[in-house]
Amino acid sequence: AQSVTQPDIHITVSEGASLELRCNYSYGATPYLFWYVQSPGQGLQLLLKYFSGDTLVQGIKGFEAEFKRSQSSFNLRKPSVHWSDAAEYFCAVGAGSSGDKLTFGTGTRLAVRP
Amino acid sequence: DGGITQSPKYLFRKEGQNVTLSCEQNLNHDAMYWYRQDPGQGLRLIYYSQIVNDFQKGDIAEGYSVSREKKESFPLTVTSAQKNPTAFYLCASSMQGSQETQYFGPGTRLLVL
Repeated sequence: AQSVTQPDIHITVSEGASLELRCNYSYGATPYLFWYVQSPGQGLQLLLKYFSGDTLVQGIKGFEAEFKRSQSSFNLRKPSVHWSDAAEYFCAVGAGSSGDKLTFGTGTRLAVRP
Repeated sequence: DGGITQSPKYLFRKEGQNVTLSCEQNLNHDAMYWYRQDPGQGLRLIYYSQIVNDFQKGDIAEGYSVSREKKESFPLTVTSAQKNPTAFYLCASSMQGSQETQYFGPGTRLLVL
């Protein structure tokens, strides 16, 4: 079965600084990888996803992520963080062998200093 | 507007009571899901349905039940057998296939009185 690890529970960055959120997955074949964002008390919104092709994926709100098979990673990056990016971020993995199910990481909460 | 609606936004349950959370989608999606979210634990899958009149248990199905009589609707019942029901419940839907994006509703927060 697939699994996802987000090693950072909480991260604080200054507004305008760069951001990288880590995600490591475990799966034998090429996985389908997703990053979602959740504002407090709200549902989740898709930022970006990878399932084939170019390993650098562009998403909404200026985010990007890079799939690195050798490191089993799919880290999320943003060159300059805005105060409105403060939220919780979830990495998820899907696999053809599991039907339509996704497995989510435990999330990373991002705080932004003015 | 297409999307997923969940109701109510807040729900209170008394001891021994069953409560039902509503989830409706007008995205014409075949697959629907229920997740439970607790602080520090991410999202855990309760039940999912890939087609009308069929559903499968997820990782934490005990104490919950679902039905899928219509494509648009996937209600979740939290039964009295669920001893720790306080959580944030999220419904999602997608086209079939694990590469497909899941679209989420706004969630229902269930509290025990």
